[in-house]
Amino acid sequence: EVQLVESGGVVVQPGGSLRLSCAASGFTFDDYTMHWVRQAPGKGLEWVSLISWDGGSTYYADSVKGRFTISRDNSKNSLYLQMNSLRTEDTALYYCAKEYCTNGVCHHNWFDPWGQGTLVTVSS
Amino acid sequence: EIVLTQSPATLSLSPGERATLSCRASQSVSSYLAWYQQKPGQAPRLLIYDASNRATGIPARFSGSGSGTDFTLTISSLEPEDFAVYYCQQRSNWPPFFGPGTKVDIK
Repeated sequence: EVQLVESGGVVVQPGGSLRLSCAASGFTFDDYTMHWVRQAPGKGLEWVSLISWDGGSTYYADSVKGRFTISRDNSKNSLYLQMNSLRTEDTALYYCAKEYCTNGVCHHNWFDPWGQGTLVTVSS
Repeated sequence: EIVLTQSPATLSLSPGERATLSCRASQSVSSYLAWYQQKPGQAPRLLIYDASNRATGIPARFSGSGSGTDFTLTISSLEPEDFAVYYCQQRSNWPPFFGPGTKVDIK
């Protein structure tokens, strides 16, 4: 069974830094593109970042570009999100998600499954 | 950036009724549209991708249709576990973008 477990969410002051982790199991992690998607409390979903299977390509939403860095360690089946210069508007539940694949075909920008999320609160 | 609008914001129905949810894109996304279901306290789950393809394990009562700018998610007969928030998402244009959601609640 595919499992994604996020961790690292805490309360942090504006301007602070944080690293989120996502531990993957149940699939060959280094075969797949991975994503971070966030959801502010009571709000909708916002795609944040993606990283290719080998870490060679990364992309970011404009709202986080230059402040967040996505990375992965395929030897540890882990995905990361380094978050710097945090703002109050970064407060959200952060999900990691795998690209959706079916019948041997992968669709880079459909997301499934998702982890349960880790909560980041940026507040003074 | 392609903007997605969903209507209605809330849909109040009874179990067994048919649910019809709409998603409209500000410009054509071809068939690159997906639908997700999110229950309270849970992560989203992919229901439909490429406008009309059911994801693995999704019951046949869920169906998607449309292309270009207008899309529909239909739940043929609501089960108690279907009361949730539904989001559409496009991947035709960068970046991937979600609609604001439609809440389906019990009447």
